[in-house]
Amino acid sequence: EPEVTQTPSHQVTQMGQEVILRCVPISNHLYFYWYRQILGQKVEFLVSFYNNEISEKSEIFDDQFSVERPDGSNFTLKIRSTKLEDSAMYFCASSGLAGGPYEQYFGPGTRLTVT
Amino acid sequence: AQSVTQPDIHITVSEGASLELRCNYSYGATPYLFWYVQSPGQGLQLLLKYFSGDTLVQGIKGFEAEFKRSQSSFNLRKPSVHWSDAAEYFCAVGARGNQFYFGTGTSLTVIP
Repeated sequence: EPEVTQTPSHQVTQMGQEVILRCVPISNHLYFYWYRQILGQKVEFLVSFYNNEISEKSEIFDDQFSVERPDGSNFTLKIRSTKLEDSAMYFCASSGLAGGPYEQYFGPGTRLTVT
Repeated sequence: AQSVTQPDIHITVSEGASLELRCNYSYGATPYLFWYVQSPGQGLQLLLKYFSGDTLVQGIKGFEAEFKRSQSSFNLRKPSVHWSDAAEYFCAVGARGNQFYFGTGTSLTVIP
């Protein structure tokens, strides 16, 4: 069964450093998303991406965040200058076979620890 | 404003007992509703979904959920809980291509 994959599974970085989280969505899905989950809290939406551009973003997704689909398979989230409060589990998701069901399929997550 | 409320933060049930997890939503358009399960250290696995039609939907692992528009609810049920069902359960509402709004989750403990 197709699945969303994410790398790395755990990333440790120092405050102020740049990190790139990588995701491979399910092939032929059209919509891509990033969510985050701070430990013990609910899953929060960051950004959605469709047709090579951001379609929706939350207040959390400020100028230090960016997303990119550099090729036909990868979808990345970049955090330019990490802060302690960026420590969280980051989930990538994809959805939207053309004309198909709308549920979002989530990857296993990348745990980001900022020290 | 769109939101999802899961009133029960933590539920404990005995193995073999029935289970109901509550979910209430607020959404401006026709809601698409979902239940996801998260085991410790794992990602989110889709249990079931409701888009339209029959208001009682069946999912994986023996779970079902009933959509009640009048109550803005989408409660998850299982007739007989197994120890392996211990996990965090999240209700979510969303639409095609749009963000999902998640509840705060209900942590399920199953005792022998």
